[in-house]
Amino acid sequence: NAGVTQTPKFRVLKTGQSMTLLCAQDMNHEYMYWYRQDPGMGLRLIHYSVGEGTTAKGEVPDGYNVSRLKKQNFLLGLESAAPSQTSVYFCASSYLGTVYSNQPQHFGDGTRLSIL
Amino acid sequence: KQEVTQIPAALSVPEGENLVLNCSFTDSAIYNLQWFRQDPGKGLTSLLLIQSSQREQTSGRLNASLDKSSGRSTLYIAASQPGDSATYLCAVSGGYQKVTFGTGTKLQVIP
Repeated sequence: NAGVTQTPKFRVLKTGQSMTLLCAQDMNHEYMYWYRQDPGMGLRLIHYSVGEGTTAKGEVPDGYNVSRLKKQNFLLGLESAAPSQTSVYFCASSYLGTVYSNQPQHFGDGTRLSIL
Repeated sequence: KQEVTQIPAALSVPEGENLVLNCSFTDSAIYNLQWFRQDPGKGLTSLLLIQSSQREQTSGRLNASLDKSSGRSTLYIAASQPGDSATYLCAVSGGYQKVTFGTGTKLQVIP
């Protein structure tokens, strides 16, 4: 049972390059999320999806795009990478949304991204 | 805007000690509060989730309490072990997909 799998685990980009981070979950969860974690700050929500074919903006969406073409996959794209996007990116999924009392989120192990 | 604070940022205790980690939040209108564990280079693992109507939740050596009116939660770890060494994060859910995370307390349990 893999849970939430993120690829790649590490990546170094040059400013202006583009890339896509992949998140896959095998728990049949409806909700999927992308967060970034920066030193001294809590996790911040970038984008989320409430089901296949849907996406929505979170707290810090600028510079990122997402797609949810299949229920099990949630892709995060950086169109033109900037040094400010250097961070650790976490994907999470849950069966129901975050307001539902007994449904915790399940997290992947993260992608460490450096932009030079 | 909801703010979540965890103090101290780091804590070192000898093995076997009972300890309490603190989490405070500014807006008491929350749906639930979660405590997570994060190991170095890993993602977050949910430890306990307390509904807004509950006062506490227990799992093994862990007990989490919630006082909404004062905007506080504590995570109590009994008989700490070196394997408990990790960063502990709390997160509050304040609305539709609105989860605010604290910056965590890094715990080191010394053998």
